[in-house]
Amino acid sequence: QITLKESGPTLVKPTQTLTLTCTVSGFSISTSGAGVGWIRQPPGKALEWLALIYSGGDERYSPSLKSRVTITKDASKNQVFLTMTDMDPVDTGTYYCAQETGWGRPLGFGSWGQGTLVAVSS
Amino acid sequence: QSTLTQPASLSGSPGQSITISCTGTNSDVGAYNFVSWYHQSPGKAPKLIIYDVSDRPSGVSNRFSGSKSGNTASLTISGLQAEDEGDYSCNSYTTSRTWVFGGGTKLTVL
Repeated sequence: QITLKESGPTLVKPTQTLTLTCTVSGFSISTSGAGVGWIRQPPGKALEWLALIYSGGDERYSPSLKSRVTITKDASKNQVFLTMTDMDPVDTGTYYCAQETGWGRPLGFGSWGQGTLVAVSS
Repeated sequence: QSTLTQPASLSGSPGQSITISCTGTNSDVGAYNFVSWYHQSPGKAPKLIIYDVSDRPSGVSNRFSGSKSGNTASLTISGLQAEDEGDYSCNSYTTSRTWVFGGGTKLTVL
């Protein structure tokens, strides 16, 4: 059974840097073709894809957030991290990590974490 | 990249069929058959219900079907049930090797 779980701060101040951790079980993020991404959702609004990293280290970023977002991984801990700089109140929302289910083909996000709510406020 | 365009809301009665559209460009929806759909109940994580335009993951009801024509993908739900209520979002892979979601559609079962 594949599970993903997000963890990190629930509150950050404007201009601070957010770091979230996605702990994966049920598959190895080192397996060829494995991809894990981050998606966020402001309260009452649409899903927004942020970034994705593949097992081989290939990193993909949303063009609108590329200057602020970094995705990394620790294969030894089966974890994927999201760092977002210069946080603003508009970045408030639920942040999800999800498995890209195609094993190299971009089929979609088949398994999701429960999400973690991050508020940006002074 | 811009958000894919979906109707903000739709409604239908139990037993009816409804179709949700998802319009993009020839750089995303129109470029590949890598369109997926998600159902999200309040307070829950999204659930994948369609991938590759029209394929269903194991365990997803065959009342859900997907199609695509040009730059517009569609999700059809037949035999509407109360449990189908919630938000539906489309997603597409793009020619920039990124992903983009739609604005989401709130479905109400009357």
